[in-house]
Amino acid sequence: GAVVSQHPSRVICKSGTSVKIECRSLDFQATTMFWYRQFPKKSLMLMATSNEGSKATYEQGVEKDKFLINHASLTLSTLTVTSAHPEDSSFYICSAYRTDNYGYTFGSGTRLTVV
Amino acid sequence: AQTVTQSQPEMSVQEAETVTLSCTYDTSENNYYLFWYKQPPSRQMILVIRQEAYKQQNATENRFSVNFQKAAKSFSLKISDSQLGDTAMYFCAFTYNNNDMRFGAGTRLTVKP
Repeated sequence: GAVVSQHPSRVICKSGTSVKIECRSLDFQATTMFWYRQFPKKSLMLMATSNEGSKATYEQGVEKDKFLINHASLTLSTLTVTSAHPEDSSFYICSAYRTDNYGYTFGSGTRLTVV
Repeated sequence: AQTVTQSQPEMSVQEAETVTLSCTYDTSENNYYLFWYKQPPSRQMILVIRQEAYKQQNATENRFSVNFQKAAKSFSLKISDSQLGDTAMYFCAFTYNNNDMRFGAGTRLTVKP
């Protein structure tokens, strides 16, 4: 079945530093990937949609300069949290869309803690 | 704008019993997809069942089935013969035209032994 690998699963960083999260589709091409943020005991909130080879589309209220998204290939999208602050601490999940079966496959998520 | 509403924050069921989780949605689209996802403590999103709006027949996957009422914009999930491993958060989700997926607030289901 379709697999999306997301790394790292957990990361702790200091305030002011940047953290990169990778989302890779292992056995299919993902022209579109989605990045979500999930607070404890809450639902998934869409942050941005990334399409291979073009700029990401951000949801209202999401700072594009803080959450940099790159989708340089059909199998890899990255989310970089720049100048991280404690309020950026959260669970981040990616999702890749498959055109062959109209399916969505989720990564296993990344728990980011900013200290 | 598309919205998904899950009005049951928490539910519980005895092992081997049946439970139904509710979901309503709002959209002006005609062709769309609805999903139920399970999120256990590991937080991995697991697809439980999927329904295409153009299909009148309710989707079924083993112990999981849906009651899809398109006119009422309702999409409930029935879990039969509940098992302890079914304990998790359940999210109802909506998407159309290969767009992003919109999620409900979730229902925390506890299966009691």
